[in-house]
Amino acid sequence: DAKTTQPTSMDCAEGRAANLPCNHSTISGNEYVYWYRQIHSQGPQYIIHGLKNNETNEMASLIITEDRKSSTLILPHATLRDTAVYYCIVRVRLYSGSARQLTFGSGTQLTVLP
Amino acid sequence: DTAVSQTPKYLVTQMGNDKSIKCEQNLGHDTMYWYKQDSKKFLKIMFSYNNKELIINETVPNRFSPKSPDKAHLNLHINSLELGDSAVYFCASSQRSAGQGTYNEQFFGPGTRLTVL
Repeated sequence: DAKTTQPTSMDCAEGRAANLPCNHSTISGNEYVYWYRQIHSQGPQYIIHGLKNNETNEMASLIITEDRKSSTLILPHATLRDTAVYYCIVRVRLYSGSARQLTFGSGTQLTVLP
Repeated sequence: DTAVSQTPKYLVTQMGNDKSIKCEQNLGHDTMYWYKQDSKKFLKIMFSYNNKELIINETVPNRFSPKSPDKAHLNLHINSLELGDSAVYFCASSQRSAGQGTYNEQFFGPGTRLTVL
């Protein structure tokens, strides 16, 4: 799996958009970008994933650059409950072997401030 | 309804003991996982398992063994517990996309905090 680089921590004001960057300059053509988050004392939670097109769901938007070397997770209206560690993970989606596993980095601690 | 559940939530035990952590998923998924999160908060895969294949992270000591009585359960057995085994253990599950050979997102349990004294 390609290595990812994320800032260690970020702050965001409640109600404002939170933009979390991720660099994955060695990403391969068949690798997807996944985002998970872990709220304190809970298990990780899937947020969104994408290959090359921008994606949006009820939780967030994912913007992937045209060269796919970086991406940004956008929480459009951050709330206090969005305070968590956010993990950007790059991997293939194949069924076989170790490709099915997730490799977590150190993530970004997002703190939403009142 | 809880999708992925683990028991116990907390486990405190002495060095040298043997213990088990149970995991159940009611999502009908075909693959389950165990992850370990150490004191520095790094999450590392330990095992992934479906009814055909067990993938073991090479760094996992053989004192750790997954046991799957059925498709909905993947229990973690740990023999001869050591101080360094203290961590939070997360179970997860996912489902292969039919006909596509790919995996969908993983659903995680709430974790089991293991403390070895």
